[in-house]
Amino acid sequence: GDSVTQMEGPVTLSEEAFLTINCTYTATGYPSLFWYVQYPGEGLQLLLKATKADDKGSNKGFEATYRKETTSFHLEKGSVQVSDSAVYFCALFNNAGNMLTFGGGTRLMVKP
Amino acid sequence: ETGVTQTPRHLVMGMTNKKSLKCEQHLGHNAMYWYKQSAKKPLELMFVYSLEERVENNSVPSRFSPECPNSSHLFLHLHTLQPEDSALYLCASSQDMGGVYEQYFGPGTRLTVT
Repeated sequence: GDSVTQMEGPVTLSEEAFLTINCTYTATGYPSLFWYVQYPGEGLQLLLKATKADDKGSNKGFEATYRKETTSFHLEKGSVQVSDSAVYFCALFNNAGNMLTFGGGTRLMVKP
Repeated sequence: ETGVTQTPRHLVMGMTNKKSLKCEQHLGHNAMYWYKQSAKKPLELMFVYSLEERVENNSVPSRFSPECPNSSHLFLHLHTLQPEDSALYLCASSQDMGGVYEQYFGPGTRLTVT
């Protein structure tokens, strides 16, 4: 079946540091890929998405590129802020299964 | 404000109790979902409803019983739960089913089973 693997956290960075959160997936066919973010006490919010190979999703300074050759969708941000502290979830949607499959989540902590 | 509300936000119940979680979406969406979020485990899809019809039941124990009386409301009825059912239960909705449609999540109900 489909699966998503994320780097385990927590990831602790200083403000303005460069962020990378790794995500790899296993799926049949051509899934769509997503990053969701969960701030403390809230539900998940869609951060960005990519629907086909080589697409780059971007939002709020975050970006991720759909790499089919490496089955990856790594999340990056050039300069993190304290307000980016949250849990980040990588997910895929496979039309064959008609459901979102989530990774385990990576907690990011940004210190001033 | 995500447009998806959940009540209660916190719930403590004994193993013999019966309780219900409520979800309401104000977005005019046709699909609604229940997810379970446990510590150190990936988010688990429990149920999917599309146009008030259940289209997915992801091997969930019968002590969890969903109900979708209309496209705006989704309930999760709970009875004779186990301590391992303690988790954050998230409701979501989307315009329709399918990967092109963003899922909007509620804030969740934090359930503790004692």
